[in-house]
Amino acid sequence: GAVVSQHPSWVICKSGTSVKIECRSLDFQATTMFWYRQFPKQSLMLMATSNEGSKATYEQGVEKDKFLINHASLTLSTLTVTSAHPEDSSFYICSPSGSYEQFFGPGTRLTVL
Amino acid sequence: QKEVEQNSGPLSVPEGAIASLNCTYSDRGSQSFFWYRQYSGKSPELIMFIYSNGDKEDGRFTAQLNKASQYVSLLIRDSQPSDSATYLCAVTYNTDKLIFGTGTRLQVFP
Repeated sequence: GAVVSQHPSWVICKSGTSVKIECRSLDFQATTMFWYRQFPKQSLMLMATSNEGSKATYEQGVEKDKFLINHASLTLSTLTVTSAHPEDSSFYICSPSGSYEQFFGPGTRLTVL
Repeated sequence: QKEVEQNSGPLSVPEGAIASLNCTYSDRGSQSFFWYRQYSGKSPELIMFIYSNGDKEDGRFTAQLNKASQYVSLLIRDSQPSDSATYLCAVTYNTDKLIFGTGTRLQVFP
């Protein structure tokens, strides 16, 4: 499978700060990037879908002004959680996708105090 | 709303037994079906995918799909303690978007 990295792997921040999560597909050109989040003991919930060079499409209930997604290249996408609050504490996972395959990054655990 | 349902478990089986994990989905238009394994604190890893009715075998794993009943299952033969994890069923509808079930926690005891 493809090599996908996420940085940071975990982050703790104060309420009100912004956090940027990077997702890199190291050996794979991701035409589409999915971002998921997973709350404890729950399943993965799709947050948004982005295509390289285009604006992201957000799922119902996900605030596009709060979760900023940039997919500037085929190997890099970022998710910025703006003005994070404790309820945003979750496990964020990127998932780069090509024509036939979809992979998952190792995830970023965000804890907002 | 498209839904994917799984029993949350835990499903406990002894080492060497067959573990049977089940998943139902709500939309008959579902096209592709995936089973992922997720260890605690880790992201999911793909075990198998299946598109057509019937069985698909890969090593100790067999996926079974019945589109008429909107049912997909995963059998794990010769279960090992290292198989203890949460197993996620996922479905796609006309796109690459994966809709995940809530997962079934499997415990294999020695």
